[in-house]
Parts: sequence; structure tokens; C-alpha cells
Amino acid sequence: QQQVKQSPQSLIVQKGGISIINCAYENTAFDYFPWYQQFPGKGPALLIAIRPDVSEKKEGRFTISFNKSAKQFSLHIMDSQPGDSATYFCAAGTDSWGKLQFGAGTQVVVTP
Amino acid sequence: DGGITQSPKYLFRKEGQNVTLSCEQNLNHDAMYWYRQDPGQGLRLIYYSQIVNDFQKGDIAEGYSVSREKKESFPLTVTSAQKNPTAFYLCATTTGGRTEAFFGQGTRLTVV
Repeated sequence: QQQVKQSPQSLIVQKGGISIINCAYENTAFDYFPWYQQFPGKGPALLIAIRPDVSEKKEGRFTISFNKSAKQFSLHIMDSQPGDSATYFCAAGTDSWGKLQFGAGTQVVVTP
Repeated sequence: DGGITQSPKYLFRKEGQNVTLSCEQNLNHDAMYWYRQDPGQGLRLIYYSQIVNDFQKGDIAEGYSVSREKKESFPLTVTSAQKNPTAFYLCATTTGGRTEAFFGQGTRLTVV
């Protein structure tokens, strides 16, 4: 069973638009929530991460929103660019040596 | 040039064969991980190792084996007991819990 549920499976957004990806988890022991970006044929790379003591974290055009009571978190990509076209994975972990539970991934396509 | 090197990039296996995927790192990270990636399923943890000569099973360890004789190396053997080995395999490292996971470029294994 997947401990982190991610949606949507794919999305298409026009250049300049906002991409929103949502994730939900059940295990309240999770206290570290990273997002990874993966281009075809490559390994994932860390995009941004949040811990549950804050409700929002912003880095450039990327923002994580975190709702601890709902056990949900989301990634917003503002002013989406064609170079953002990639697969995005949410994940959740604890202090247990970096073991992460990944969502199923969202393929984002940004059209010119 | 620091990083994680996975080899080979592509690997073909015949039915009944064991194959070994290589993962080498020069980041001096303590922990190493093997993930399997299948379309629509995200990344699933196969094995992980926190220190030399010690490793633990992840969520889908059946049909796989690993060793950790050196800090820099964490090879994965896909045995003939793994009934559906065709997948993209990713090696990762971390310095500990709640820290960024660094991924290699992956090995795509295909059964022929």
C-alpha cells in the first residue's frame, strides 16, 4: 500500500500558468516532506523540502504548502516554464536515516 | 567531480540469470539506498545501508541482494528469484535522516 498518495497523475499547463500537485499521507510519524524533480532518463533531484513546524516554504517559483491537521501538502509552480516539464515526486520521511516513502509521481508538461 | 556513479546505464538480462548493478559514491555519505522505479508507482525502497558491513531490507527486497564492503560502494544483485525485474533502478545516498537524498543517473534493466 502506498503511504503517500499523489495527484494528479499528469497535468498540462500553459507557459506562465500555475501547476499544483497534491499529496496526502497517513503516518503521523512523518516529519520531513521533500519534493523531487526528475527529467527523463535521469535520477531525481531535490527541489524543495519542508518540515511540519511551518505551513509554507517558498524558493523562487516553487512553493510548498503544508496542512498538518489534514495531513496534506502541495507543490505550487508559479509562472510555469517549458523547462519545468518533468516528473515531480512528493515524499515523506522521518529521522530514520533518510528512508523516504515516495508518491507515484506527476508528469507535468508546460506548453509554449 | 563528486557524485554517484551507477553502471551500466542499460543492462539486459536473460531469464534465469543473476545480474549485478554497480553504485559508487565519492560524497563520503554514510547511508546508501537502492530504489526501484516503475511507471505510475513512484520509487520503492529495495535495500539500504547505514554503515559498512550492515544493511537492511526495504519494502520490496525479495529477489534482490546487496553488500556493503566499502563505504563508497553498494552493489545490487538482481537474482533469478526476482520474477519481474524489468525496471529503472536508482541508487541514492544521504548523510543521515531528514537530509537531501542524492541520486545516481540510474540503470535501466530489461529482461530479454
